[in-house]
Amino acid sequence: AQSVTQLGSHVSVSEGALVLLRCNYSSSVPPYLFWYVQYPNQGLQLLLKYTTGATLVKGINGFEAEFKKSETSFHLTKPSAHMSDAAEYFCAVRGSGGYQKVTFGTGTKLQVIP
Amino acid sequence: DTGVSQDPRHKITKRGQNVTFRCDPISEHNRLYWYRQTLGQGPEFLTYFQNEAQLEKSRLLSDRFSAERPKGSFSTLEIQRTEQGDSAMYLCASSLDGDTQYFGPGTRLTVL
Repeated sequence: AQSVTQLGSHVSVSEGALVLLRCNYSSSVPPYLFWYVQYPNQGLQLLLKYTTGATLVKGINGFEAEFKKSETSFHLTKPSAHMSDAAEYFCAVRGSGGYQKVTFGTGTKLQVIP
Repeated sequence: DTGVSQDPRHKITKRGQNVTFRCDPISEHNRLYWYRQTLGQGPEFLTYFQNEAQLEKSRLLSDRFSAERPKGSFSTLEIQRTEQGDSAMYLCASSLDGDTQYFGPGTRLTVL
């Protein structure tokens, strides 16, 4: 069984401020973790993923996330928000070992205030 | 690489009618996935194909839903006897490595 909890359905930050979107997961097997972004009227796009190896992963557009097994977390951060970061962000988990079912969180809408 | 395409983009139907959606994955991607997304929710996994074989199905996929991928390329998702609760965005994704999934734009279904 696997699940994802995203804390905060809406997050507002000022342009240039730190972006922190929270994600906690549950998985009965070692997890693979993902962050996707969805811009209005566009499809989901993969930002970054953790499968194995280094726990700090870097993605596109300056985003990064750290896998913390002890905290069952995979929070997404970006040092300085840009207006173009305004979108909806989804955290997702799937089990390792050949499982293909991906479970998504309910999403966090990021608003960037000029 | 033209990306994942889905057809139609929008479908309005009356309750009780059957509908069929098509997904064309990125060429050479042997893995294909269907998801359903309702307002305010993340995508929910429906089913997974590797080549033409349907290997995983969610319990969300009731007996009114059927998916096929006959030649291991495009896929279809059919909903029979549609209900208002079927109104949602239906998303298709494809993958080569099973980790990075590329999503299509979705088909928005409205059941009246």
